Amino acid sequence: KQEVTQIPAALSVPEGENLVLNCSFTDSAIYNLQWFRQDPGKGLTSLLLIQSSQREQTSGRLNASLDKSSGRSTLYIAASQPGDSATYLCAVLTGANNLFFGTGTRLTVIP
Amino acid sequence: NAGVMQNPRHLVRRRGQEARLRCSPMKGHSHVYWYRQLPEEGLKFMVYLQKENIIDESGMPKERFSAEFPKEGPSILRIQQVVRGDSAAYFCASSAGPSPGNTIYFGEGSWLTVV
Repeated sequence: KQEVTQIPAALSVPEGENLVLNCSFTDSAIYNLQWFRQDPGKGLTSLLLIQSSQREQTSGRLNASLDKSSGRSTLYIAASQPGDSATYLCAVLTGANNLFFGTGTRLTVIP
Repeated sequence: NAGVMQNPRHLVRRRGQEARLRCSPMKGHSHVYWYRQLPEEGLKFMVYLQKENIIDESGMPKERFSAEFPKEGPSILRIQQVVRGDSAAYFCASSAGPSPGNTIYFGEGSWLTVV
């Protein structure tokens, strides 16, 4: 059964720092991997989607990488801002039409 | 084009009552998914439906929970005789077709509190 783990569970950084969030999954038979952002009491906002055949995706200050064979993905956030404070969720899509989510990394960017 | 709409956004029920959560998918989407997020846990898949069909309910608790997506109207997640452990955020998502190949869009969630 697919299991998704995110490390660290929480992270506090001063504004302006670059940071990396980690995601690992146990079964490499995935179609894609997606990073989401969740604000308190809110829904999920999709940030980046990496197909299984891709190695990375970039959007603005965000860069996500995927190493399918080792079951790992990283989300790199450059020049962090207080508005980046949120919980970041990693999810992998399997052939069963459902997403397996990690428990998230709660990021706080301190002004 | 409105996104995935869920209502109510917040619902309080006493133990033993019924909870009904509604989800209107994005326009043109005929595939609906329900996920549950328990406190301090990740989202867990519950059920995947197409119009009038349950495709995969492997994540649904065997008792008290049911879901439907009728030909007309929203998808409904129904929880009978709620217990405190049902308190969670319930997220609906929709897509135009089966994934992969179709992006899944999430609603803003319905927060159920059982008192």
